[in-house]
Amino acid sequence: KAGVTQTPRYLIKTRGQQVTLSCSPISGHRSVSWYQQTPGQGLQFLFEYFSETQRNKGNFPGRFSGRQFSNSRSEMNVSTLELGDSALYLCASSLAATARGYGYTFGSGTRLTVV
Amino acid sequence: DAKTTQPPSMDCAEGRAANLPCNHSTISGNEYVYWYRQIHSQGPQYIIHGLKNNETNEMASLIITEDRKSSTLILPHATLRDTAVYYCIVRVATGGSYIPTFGRGTSLIVHP
Repeated sequence: KAGVTQTPRYLIKTRGQQVTLSCSPISGHRSVSWYQQTPGQGLQFLFEYFSETQRNKGNFPGRFSGRQFSNSRSEMNVSTLELGDSALYLCASSLAATARGYGYTFGSGTRLTVV
Repeated sequence: DAKTTQPPSMDCAEGRAANLPCNHSTISGNEYVYWYRQIHSQGPQYIIHGLKNNETNEMASLIITEDRKSSTLILPHATLRDTAVYYCIVRVATGGSYIPTFGRGTSLIVHP
């Protein structure tokens, strides 16, 4: 079966712009989580959605937002980009809300570079 | 605030067992321990998870201490392809949310 699909794979944006990243979970998975990975901070949790509702949120500013659609696909948006937002953004899907007892399946990520 | 603590790096000879430790002293009673690994520039790959009992699958074994404050991932016969960063994850209650918290991970190098 198809894995978690993230688009685009690479993106270059200018400071001050906004960006939208997309994630299509594994068919049947209703939970989608987003992570930011940087060399300095490692993997940091952004937010988690289940059935179009945000269930958990990490410690990121309000410029980072997300949403989930009825088909479980998810998007995350970053407004007013800063140089420090350059990172690998990873999406993960799971069968259940909170994924307790279930593993996450990660996509390959979107590499965002802010210049 | 402590979440998970892992040694930054380890090495292992090919064919030998790799034992990767993780401390998670603040884990809640009903929270699972998950292990993932990440090969450079790829998304993390799920390995195994457990709650209280030891677990085994085709990739690895997970040993959890009785007090659940630490665990060990065992790769029984490490190969060169097991070279990766290994993450131990628990979900930490923070301000009403349960945040899946990755540690810094252990960079495992398997050498011939």
